Amino acid sequence: LAKTTQPISMDSYEGQEVNITCSHNNIATNDYITWYQQFPSQGPRFIIQGYKTKVTNEVASLFIPADRKSSTLSLPRVSLSDTAVYYCLSVDYGGSQGNLIFGKGTKLSVKP
Amino acid sequence: DVKVTQSSRYLVKRTGEKVFLECVQDMDHENMFWYRQDPGLGLRLIYFSYDVKMKEKGDIPEGYSVSREKKERFSLILESASTNQTSMYLCASTNGGYGGYGYTFGSGTRLTVV
Repeated sequence: LAKTTQPISMDSYEGQEVNITCSHNNIATNDYITWYQQFPSQGPRFIIQGYKTKVTNEVASLFIPADRKSSTLSLPRVSLSDTAVYYCLSVDYGGSQGNLIFGKGTKLSVKP
Repeated sequence: DVKVTQSSRYLVKRTGEKVFLECVQDMDHENMFWYRQDPGLGLRLIYFSYDVKMKEKGDIPEGYSVSREKKERFSLILESASTNQTSMYLCASTNGGYGGYGYTFGSGTRLTVV
C-alpha cells in the first residue's frame, strides 16, 4: 500500500506554476520524500528528494513543512512537455533497496 | 546521463515459452532491479541485485528468475510464460539509492503473452 496520498489528476496551462500536494500523515522518522515523473510508455524519472524545509533543483522545488505530514512539488512555468504522471514516494532512507512504492500518482495535463 | 537500455520495447510470446528480457546500464551502478507495472497496482519489485552473481527476491518473484554475470547487465527470465505475466517490465539501476534517490529506469518492455 502506498504511504502517500495525492490528487488523481490536475489541469494547467502553459506558463503557469503547478503545485502538487502529497499527504503522508504517518511518515516515519527515517523516511525521505521523493518524487518521480513518468511519461507514457517510459520508465519513471527521478525529479527531486527532500527531508525537511525546501529543496530546489533545475527541474522543480520541493517544500516539506516542519511536521512533515505533507509536501508540495512545485513546477515553475510548465510547458506541454511537462504533461506526465507525477509520483510522490515516502521511502525509508536505510531500508531495503528497490522498495519503491508507487501509488497511482497525479496525472498532470498541461494545455496550450 | 546514465542510460538504462532494455533490449526490446514490445514483445509477444506464446504461453509456455521461455522469455529473456535484457537490461544494460552504462554507469557502473552497483544495484539493478526488475519491476513490473500494471494498471491499478503500481510498480512491483520482482528481483534485485547488489553485485555480480548476486540476486535477491523482491515482492513477486514467482515464475521469474534473474541472471547477473556482468556488472552492467541484468537479465530477467520468465521460465514458462503465462498470460498473467502480460505486463510492462521496467529495469532500473542506482548507486546507493537511499530513500529512493536517483533510480534510473529503462524505457520498459511491454510483454504480451498469448
